[in-house]
Order: sequence, then C-alpha cells, then structure tokens
Amino acid sequence: AQSVTQPDIHITVSEGASLELRCNYSYGATPYLFWYVQSPGQGLQLLLKYFSGDTLVQGIKGFEAEFKRSQSSFNLRKPSVHWSDAAEYFCAVAAINTGNQFYFGTGTSLTVIP
Amino acid sequence: ETGVTQSPTHLIKTRGQQVTLRCSSQSGHNTVSWYQQALGQGPQFIFQYYREEENGRGNFPPRFSGLQFPNYSSELNVNALELDDSALYLCASRNGGAAINTEAFFGQGTRLTVV
Repeated sequence: AQSVTQPDIHITVSEGASLELRCNYSYGATPYLFWYVQSPGQGLQLLLKYFSGDTLVQGIKGFEAEFKRSQSSFNLRKPSVHWSDAAEYFCAVAAINTGNQFYFGTGTSLTVIP
Repeated sequence: ETGVTQSPTHLIKTRGQQVTLRCSSQSGHNTVSWYQQALGQGPQFIFQYYREEENGRGNFPPRFSGLQFPNYSSELNVNALELDDSALYLCASRNGGAAINTEAFFGQGTRLTVV
C-alpha cells in the first residue's frame, strides 16, 4: 500500500541555517513525489515535484529535493532558511492506479528562530 | 494565491446534521479532488471528479458524497455529521483527469466544526 512517512514532527532552525526535511515513501511502482507547504489557516502550495529524470529537482523559494530510489526517500533541502519559511511542510506521493490521489505524510512543522 | 475558491471558510454544525461545502475550480481545470485534514494530520483523500464523473475514492463512508457541475465547480456533501468530521476540508483543482503530471492547485479550505 502507498504511504508517506515524515519522521520529524517538528524542527527548529536558526535563520540563515541550512534545512533538511525527511520524507520516506512506500509505493509499488515509479513514484510521483511532491512537497507542499501550508501556512497557518491556508491551503497547500506546491514547492516542487518529481516525475522522472534528474533526481535533484529545484522548486520555488530556493527549495530543492533529491529522489533516492534505493532509500525510498525524497528529502527537502534549503541552504539558508528565512523567517518566512516557518510553516507546515507535507510530502506526498501520487497513486496513479487509484485516480491520482495524493497520499500525504503527517507533516513537519518548521519553526525559524532569529 | 490560486484561482481555487472554497465556501464557506468556516462552519459550525451539530452532530447528525448535513453539510454542503463548495469549491470553484481554477479556470480551465476539469478535475477536482477533495481532502479532509484533521488537526495535526496530513490531508486524506476523499474523492475526485473528472468531467462530472467520480473517478477515484478514498476510504470514506458513503455519507460523504459529491458532485461536479458542467462548469467544473464541485460540492462535497456530508450527511449524519459526527464529531470526528471536524476538520479542514480542502479542494484541489487541476487539468488532466488521469494524467498526473499537471499541478494541483489547492483552495484555502473550509474549517468545519461539529459540536
């Protein structure tokens, strides 16, 4: 069955520090992977996606993610965090065989301290 | 800001009542999906509509039902509300039906509280 695990419920980083948010997925075929960000009271905004090709994908707001098939991981990174990056981050895998539904992880809450 | 709008933004209902949530998809988008996001959880897929037909459903009981209209806007109906139905309900629209490589745009959600 498809599933996504985000091991870190909450992460705190200092502004300007680097960031890595972990995501592990379980999916029987080629995965379509996504990272979304959600600010309080808001919907989800797409940061980046992986369908195929280059395993390092670039997204908006300076984020990138690397797909590692051998580790079933799709970790999100940012070299220098800004205070405005504080939000909830969700990793998701899309299941083509069931109407393209997204399976989301439980999210990682990011706090940025000055 | 996406072109997906949801109404109402907040709603309080009593257990056992029925509720209808609405979603206007982004212009040109023919596919609408609904998700339930309980507090502290990730969104859970309810169902998806493509050109007015349901083409995918998650693990939700039949009292969760939906519609998609010819203009591709959509409704989510929940009958016999239970306390556990309290959640943020998100609508996402995209253009593509079975094709996955099209971006889904999410609305800001409807916060439903069942008391």
